[in-house]
Amino acid sequence: AQSVTQLGSHVSVSEGALVLLRCNYSSSVPPYLFWYVQYPNQGLQLLLKYTSAATLVKGINGFEAEFKKSETSFHLTKPSAHMSDAAEYFCAVSDRGSSASKIIFGSGTRLSIRP
Amino acid sequence: DVKVTQSSRYLVKRTGEKVFLECVQDMDHENMFWYRQDPGLGLRLIYFSYDVKMKEKGDIPEGYSVSREKKERFSLILESASTNQTSMYLCASSLLAPNTGELFFGEGSRLTVL
Repeated sequence: AQSVTQLGSHVSVSEGALVLLRCNYSSSVPPYLFWYVQYPNQGLQLLLKYTSAATLVKGINGFEAEFKKSETSFHLTKPSAHMSDAAEYFCAVSDRGSSASKIIFGSGTRLSIRP
Repeated sequence: DVKVTQSSRYLVKRTGEKVFLECVQDMDHENMFWYRQDPGLGLRLIYFSYDVKMKEKGDIPEGYSVSREKKERFSLILESASTNQTSMYLCASSLLAPNTGELFFGEGSRLTVL
């Protein structure tokens, strides 16, 4: 069965510092992997996705994530945090070829940025 | 620009009331979903629909029903609201094929049941 684990429900970094949000997945078949972002009082929007091309995926707002099959990880990074990055981030996994209902979300990581 | 619109951003209802949450998408997507979001629990799937008049139960369907009479509209119904249904409800849509799993979300409906 698929599962997603996000390490750390809350991460706080200083403005300009590296952002690292951790995500580990479990899937019996090659997965699709996603990071979604949710700004306060809004729905989720896609940040980036891995669907089998390059293992390093670039997304919007300077974020990127690397698919590491050996570590079953898909960590999200950004070299320099900005105040506008404060939001909740969700990692999600979907099996290739499965129905659209089989998308599993992690419990989320709230990112705070210190001035 | 693609859009999923949820009719009510904030609702306050009383225990036992019938509640309708409406969702409309303008992307001609086949799949539509209702999720519930609670702190520390992430998103949990309530129901989804892959076609008009078709519906499938998700992980937590108890206490909810849905209706999809038109392709663009998917409604979530709480027949008799209870306090434990106080939550943020998110509607989403996606293409049936290719199924890459990418979802497009509405802004959410925050429901408080007193």
